[in-house]
Amino acid sequence: EAGVAQSPRYKIIEKRQSVAFWCNPISGHATLYWYQQILGQGPKLLIQFQNNGVVDDSQLPKDRFSAERLKGVDSTLKIQPAKLEDSAVYLCASSLYGTSGTEQYFGPGTRLTVT
Amino acid sequence: QKEVEQDPGPLSVPEGAIVSLNCTYSNSAFQYFMWYRQYSRKGPELLMYTYSSGNKEDGRFTAQVDKSSKYISLFIRDSQPSDSATYLCAMSLRSNDYKLSFGAGTTVTVRA
Repeated sequence: EAGVAQSPRYKIIEKRQSVAFWCNPISGHATLYWYQQILGQGPKLLIQFQNNGVVDDSQLPKDRFSAERLKGVDSTLKIQPAKLEDSAVYLCASSLYGTSGTEQYFGPGTRLTVT
Repeated sequence: QKEVEQDPGPLSVPEGAIVSLNCTYSNSAFQYFMWYRQYSRKGPELLMYTYSSGNKEDGRFTAQVDKSSKYISLFIRDSQPSDSATYLCAMSLRSNDYKLSFGAGTTVTVRA
């Protein structure tokens, strides 16, 4: 079974530029999560999708972050404009049943550096 | 005060030693407790999860939960260089609660 795929793996941009990350979840997984992991901290949930609907985006900075999951499969997370404090690893995870925290499978992440 | 506190280490031990990791938490409503392992440049992978207080063993790994003290532990016996990673504790309110509260992670190096 292929795991969660993410691209790009690394990205360096200047502040005020925009950037987009892509995630392809495990086949058949209805739920998709985006996390932000700042260096030295644990992952923080940004947004959760169930199929192509948003379940929870309470911690997504909506003035600059946006995410979509068209057709309930792949997802894109965008930052526009980026700030220095957005430097982090952005992790995508997916789960089959959609509700249990014990069943989330993580991708390798995209490491973003904002200069 | 952070909801979940975890000593970031780093922790360096010789091969074969017992590794002891722990987290404390402030929310007494947490019921499910998880340990994730994260290798460098990889995403976290679930190692173990336990419900409420008690012990759970899986091979060389033992997870302990003491809800009265709001303290959880992970022990790795006969540690191997392949155990070198960052270990994250996480917890949630219910089994069907997708919202996980993570600790900051402890970086462990097992020296050959």
